[in-house]
Amino acid sequence: TQLLEQSPQFLSIQEGENLTVYCNSSSVFSSLQWYRQEPGEGPVLLVTVVTGGEVKKLKRLTFQFGDARKDSSLHITAAQPGDTGLYLCAGHDNYGQNFVFGPGTRLSVLP
Amino acid sequence: EADIYQTPRYLVIGTGKKITLECSQTMGHDKMYWYQQDPGMELHLIHYSYGVNSTEKGDLSSESTVSRIRTEHFPLTLESARPSHTSQYLCASRGRPYNEQFFGPGTRLTVL
Repeated sequence: TQLLEQSPQFLSIQEGENLTVYCNSSSVFSSLQWYRQEPGEGPVLLVTVVTGGEVKKLKRLTFQFGDARKDSSLHITAAQPGDTGLYLCAGHDNYGQNFVFGPGTRLSVLP
Repeated sequence: EADIYQTPRYLVIGTGKKITLECSQTMGHDKMYWYQQDPGMELHLIHYSYGVNSTEKGDLSSESTVSRIRTEHFPLTLESARPSHTSQYLCASRGRPYNEQFFGPGTRLTVL
C-alpha cells in the first residue's frame, strides 16, 4: 500500500504572504494531482503533474513534481482569503491501479 | 471542466427510510467511485466500478449498495438509513490519459 504524506497539516497565514505545502511518498507515482476542497463541496482538480521535474503554474499557484516522481510541492504567492481551503494531493501508482489521497493541508488565509 | 453531477445536494431523512443518491457523468468515463467523508476528515472509498455491470466494495465497509447499468449513471442506495450513515457522500469518475479523478459536488446526508 502506498501512502502520501502532506505537510504541514494546518497552516494559518496573513493575506499577502507566500507559502509552500508538500506531498511526499516513498513510492513512485505515474502522476500526481492537486485538489482544493471547500467545506461541504467536492474536491476540485487544480493540476496534474506527470513528468519528473515538471513545473506547472496556475496564476499565483506553482506546482512542482520531484525528479524521482515521489514528491510534489505547491507554492502560493501572495495568498488571498479566497485561497482558504483543504489542499489534497493524490496519485496513481505506476501500474495505474491504486489511487490514493494524502490527508490534506488545511490552509486559512486571514484578511 | 468536469461534468459530473450529484443529486440531491442535501438530504435530511428519518431512520429506517430507503434512499438513493444519484450520480451521473457525461464524459464517457468507465471508472466511477463513491467516497464517504465526515467533516474535517479524510476521504474513504466505499464503492467503485470499472464499467457497466461491474461493482466492487472499497476500503471502508459500508452498508450501502451500488449499481452500474449505464456508463453514465452510478447510484448509491441505503435500504434502511441510520444516524450512523450521516456524512457527506462524494461521487467521482476517472479521466484519461492521466487517471485523474473528477468529483461531483457531493450529497450531504443527515439521518435523524
